[in-house]
Amino acid sequence: NAGVTQTPKFQVLKTGQSMTLQCAQDMNHEYMSWYRQDPGMGLRLIHYSVGAGITDQGEVPNGYNVSRSTTEDFPLRLLSAAPSQTSVYFCASSSPGTGLYFGPGTRLTVT
Amino acid sequence: DAKTTQPTSMDCAEGRAANLPCNHSTISGNEYVYWYRQIHSQGPQYIIHGLKNNETNEMASLIITEDRKSSTLILPHATLRDTAVYYCIVAGAGGTSYGKLTFGQGTILTVHP
Repeated sequence: NAGVTQTPKFQVLKTGQSMTLQCAQDMNHEYMSWYRQDPGMGLRLIHYSVGAGITDQGEVPNGYNVSRSTTEDFPLRLLSAAPSQTSVYFCASSSPGTGLYFGPGTRLTVT
Repeated sequence: DAKTTQPTSMDCAEGRAANLPCNHSTISGNEYVYWYRQIHSQGPQYIIHGLKNNETNEMASLIITEDRKSSTLILPHATLRDTAVYYCIVAGAGGTSYGKLTFGQGTILTVHP
C-alpha cells in the first residue's frame, strides 16, 4: 500500500493564482481531511470529509474548496492564492477505530 | 474536545526510557487520549491511543491515571530517531474517526547520545 500520497511536494504561486493540491489514499478509508501547518505552529484543520459526496468545514476553511467524488481522492483547491496561505499542507485519512494516517505534505509558497 | 497541556520540551538519553506527560483535566467520559509525533516536518505519525486502560504496542506504552485527568507516553528505549514533536490529543471516538483532531504545540523531545 502506498498509504496517503500528496502531489506536488513543493509549489510556488503568485498572489491571485489558483491551484489544486492532490491527495489520494489506497486504504479504503472513509474519512479524509486537510490540515495546514504554519512555521513553528501546530496543525489546523481546513476541511474534512466523512465519505464520498460529503464534506464540511474545519477551523480555517476560508480561501479553500474541497470535493470528494470518490473514496480515494480528496483534492484541495486554492481559489485565489494569498501570501497568508504560505504553509505546509497535510492530507490525512482514517476509518472508525483507526488513528489518522498522514501524507508527506505539500510545501506551498505564495509570493 | 478537551484541552491538553504538555511541557514545551524534554530531553532524554539514548537507550533510556522517555516519559512524556500530558494533562487533560477536563476530559469527558467518552473521550480518548491519542498520541502522535512529527519528525522534522514530515506528516504526523499515529503512535497509540487509549480510553481508560493502559495500552501498549510496538512503538510505545500509554499510561492513563485512574481519574483520567493525565497520561504518560512511554518510549521504553529511546533512540536518536525518536527526536520529534509529540502531540497529546483528546477527542471522542467520532472526532478522530471523522479526521477531526485539534493539535496543540506538543512537546519537543530531544534524544541525545
